[in-house]
Amino acid sequence: ETGVTQSPTHLIKTRGQQVTLRCSSQSGHNTVSWYQQALGQGPQFIFQYYREEENGRGNFPPRFSGLQFPNYSSELNVNALELDDSALYLCASSGTGTANSPLHFGNGTRLTVT
Amino acid sequence: GDSVTQMEGPVTLSEEAFLTINCTYTATGYPSLFWYVQYPGEGLQLLLKATKADDKGSNKGFEATYRKETTSFHLEKGSVQVSDSAVYFCALRDGGATNKLIFGTGTLLAVQP
Repeated sequence: ETGVTQSPTHLIKTRGQQVTLRCSSQSGHNTVSWYQQALGQGPQFIFQYYREEENGRGNFPPRFSGLQFPNYSSELNVNALELDDSALYLCASSGTGTANSPLHFGNGTRLTVT
Repeated sequence: GDSVTQMEGPVTLSEEAFLTINCTYTATGYPSLFWYVQYPGEGLQLLLKATKADDKGSNKGFEATYRKETTSFHLEKGSVQVSDSAVYFCALRDGGATNKLIFGTGTLLAVQP
């Protein structure tokens, strides 16, 4: 069973640029959610995708957007990067989008904005 | 809104010591409660969970009991090992339609030989 994989593992961008992070969900999982973990903080929910549709969103501005593909992999896009966007971005997949389905996390992408 | 509060770290213990990491929550409904562990350079791993009041979650010697009356879910282990050194996160999931988790700020545990 292949787990959740994220790419790249590390990324350095300049303020104002755009970035795309990628996530391959665990085999058989149709739901992907993204979290932002700032240094020394707990992860914060960005949004969730279920069967290619966004079905839940946290308190993040519209410059954070995402996609889910027919194979259930996903992308997180961040436009107009700000210094405060520097964080570990975690992807998690689950078998369904419901509250009783366990989340499986990837190892994250460390984004540094300079 | 819903929230989770954890004791601040770091918590430094000697091997074989008893561990308690406090966690309390605020929620309007009947959340499920979780403990996740994050080892250096890795993502989050589910350690244990409890889905209703008085449930006890347990795994790898760790335990936590869902206490509705005190809105708490404290993590305990009777005898810690050096390999338990990690950051521990308490989290809740409400009864909504998504898998959204609300995390505490995490507690760093350092176990010394």
